[in-house]
Order: sequence, then C-alpha cells, then structure tokens
Amino acid sequence: AQKVTQAQTEISVVEKEDVTLDCVYETRDTTYYLFWYKQPPSGELVFLIRRNSFDEQNEISGRYPWNFQKSTSSFNFTITASQVVDSAVYFCARISNFGNEKLTFGTGTRLTIIP
Amino acid sequence: GAVVSQHPSWVICKSGTSVKIECRSLDFQATTMFWYRQFPKQSLMLMATSNEGSKATYEQGVEKDKFLINHASLTLSTLTVTSAHPEDSSFYICSARVWGYEQYFGPGTRLTVT
Repeated sequence: AQKVTQAQTEISVVEKEDVTLDCVYETRDTTYYLFWYKQPPSGELVFLIRRNSFDEQNEISGRYPWNFQKSTSSFNFTITASQVVDSAVYFCARISNFGNEKLTFGTGTRLTIIP
Repeated sequence: GAVVSQHPSWVICKSGTSVKIECRSLDFQATTMFWYRQFPKQSLMLMATSNEGSKATYEQGVEKDKFLINHASLTLSTLTVTSAHPEDSSFYICSARVWGYEQYFGPGTRLTVT
C-alpha cells in the first residue's frame, strides 16, 4: 500500500498564530491527487484542499496556503491567523488517477487552538 | 451540489441485534459508494467498495457476513451490521463517487453497541 504519513500527532498553538500541518506520501504513480480534510468534533469530514500531481504551483485558498513539493513527496498546508474554530483533526489523503484506486488517508493531526 | 446523507446519525443497540445504516446521494447518481470505519482517535479505514447492482468488494480483514452491504440503486447504499457486539461500536462514514477520483462524504453514523 502506498502510505500517507502525518508525523505530527497533536499540535497546540495560541489563537492568531500560523500553523503548518505536514504530510508526506508514497506513490508509484505519475498522476495522482492529494487532499486535505478537516474533521471537527461533530465527525463530518470537511473538504479543504485538492491538488493534482500535474501542477506544482503553490496557491493560497483563503486562509490555507499550501506547499506541494513533488521532489520530496510532501504536501503541507498552513492555517494562517488560526481561530478556535480551527480546532479539529486534519487528514491528508491521496488517490491515483486510475480507475478504482482507493483513497488512502494519513493518521491525522489533532490541532488545538488555544484562546 | 454533491450532498451525501446518512441515516441515522447515531444509534444505540443491544448486543446481538442488527443495525442498518443508509447512505444516500441526494443530488447526483453515484456509481460507486464506499464504507469507512473510524475508531476513536484513529484514521478512516476503508471497509468495502460497492457498485450499483453488483456485490461489494470487501477489504482484507472485514467480515462480509457481518457487514452486509447492498447498493440497490444509484442513490442508495446500505450497511447492515449483523449480530452487533460492543467491539463494533465505531463511527461509520460513507462516501459516493460519480466517476474518477472525487468522493463526497456523508456526515457519518455513530454506532454504540451495549
């Protein structure tokens, strides 16, 4: 299985600080997609970011600038000016572009924003 | 668009009974639906993949006779936990896919077996 690794198990930061969540993935594919999801205490997965392997240009989606480095197989994203409502578990995931490939999740990073 | 619902959102049942969880795609037709299980403080683990009108494909280690999946239409898949036991208590999440890679997730169902 092609793994997704989130080395940070838990992070706590003070409100309004920026925080970067790390994700490293394994892939044998040339074409794949990467995702970040947020899971608040309610449990529902909230889609945040999608990046395909074609485009290495880093962008900003609202408060979430991300950093995709294909050479190091990393897909990190930053929450800028963190808020208490950002407290949640964040999952990184990848999927190949082929047929019935399964979505592989990382182990998650629990983020706590301290007011 | 691309809304997936699950029913019930939470359920408590007694050990030995069966529980059915529904997953519906509300505004699109899903050729494939996925069922995930998530234990507390763990990641999502894929249980099975179901395609409309055919048998589900189960992941290694998932008992197909215990977790019955039916995908009778392009908008509905059901997961039945048969003879539930306390160790089946978990958060069950479904997702639906039209084609390609994009999956849309339901809000999840929290199952507690007493």
